[in-house]
Amino acid sequence: GAVVSQHPSWVICKSGTSVKIECRSLDFQATTMFWYRQFPKQSLMLMATSNEGSKATYEQGVEKDKFLINHASLTLSTLTVTSAHPEDSSFYICSAREAQETQYFGPGTRLLVL
Amino acid sequence: AQSVTQPDIHITVSEGASLELRCNYSYGATPYLFWYVQSPGQGLQLLLKYFSGDTLVQGIKGFEAEFKRSQSSFNLRKPSVHWSDAAEYFCAVGLKTSYDKVIFGPGTSLSVIP
Repeated sequence: GAVVSQHPSWVICKSGTSVKIECRSLDFQATTMFWYRQFPKQSLMLMATSNEGSKATYEQGVEKDKFLINHASLTLSTLTVTSAHPEDSSFYICSAREAQETQYFGPGTRLLVL
Repeated sequence: AQSVTQPDIHITVSEGASLELRCNYSYGATPYLFWYVQSPGQGLQLLLKYFSGDTLVQGIKGFEAEFKRSQSSFNLRKPSVHWSDAAEYFCAVGLKTSYDKVIFGPGTSLSVIP
């Protein structure tokens, strides 16, 4: 089946630093990738949608200069949290979609900003 | 606006009992419909999906769901629950836009009593 990986699985960083999270589709080419954020005991909130080779589309209220998304290839998308602050601490989940097929989700990355 | 509701925040059932998780959606047309399961600290696993055709959909782990257009519902069922089914369950609606975004419901937390 379709497998999506994320790296790292968890990260702790100091306030003000930047953190990069990778999302890879391991056995299929993902024309579209999605980034979600999930707070404890809450549902997933879509942050942005990215298509390979084009700029990401951000949801309302998501700062594109703070959450930089790059989708440079059909198997890799990255989310960079710039100048991270404690309120950015969360569980970040990516998903990848091949053509019209279902989204397949990565295992998530837990970010803790101190 | 499109929305997904899951009326039950938390459900507790005894092992071996039947289960039904409710999901209602609001969308102008027939959407794509999904059920995902999330174990603590993990990503999402697809249980089943409805795109078109037979309104009773079979999924993995013995789950099934029925799409009822007249009720705008897509309830998830399992005839006999196992202790390992304890998890968070998310109903989701896929929008037929160019990006096919998925909107998640708030989730239902399932506890299983041995």
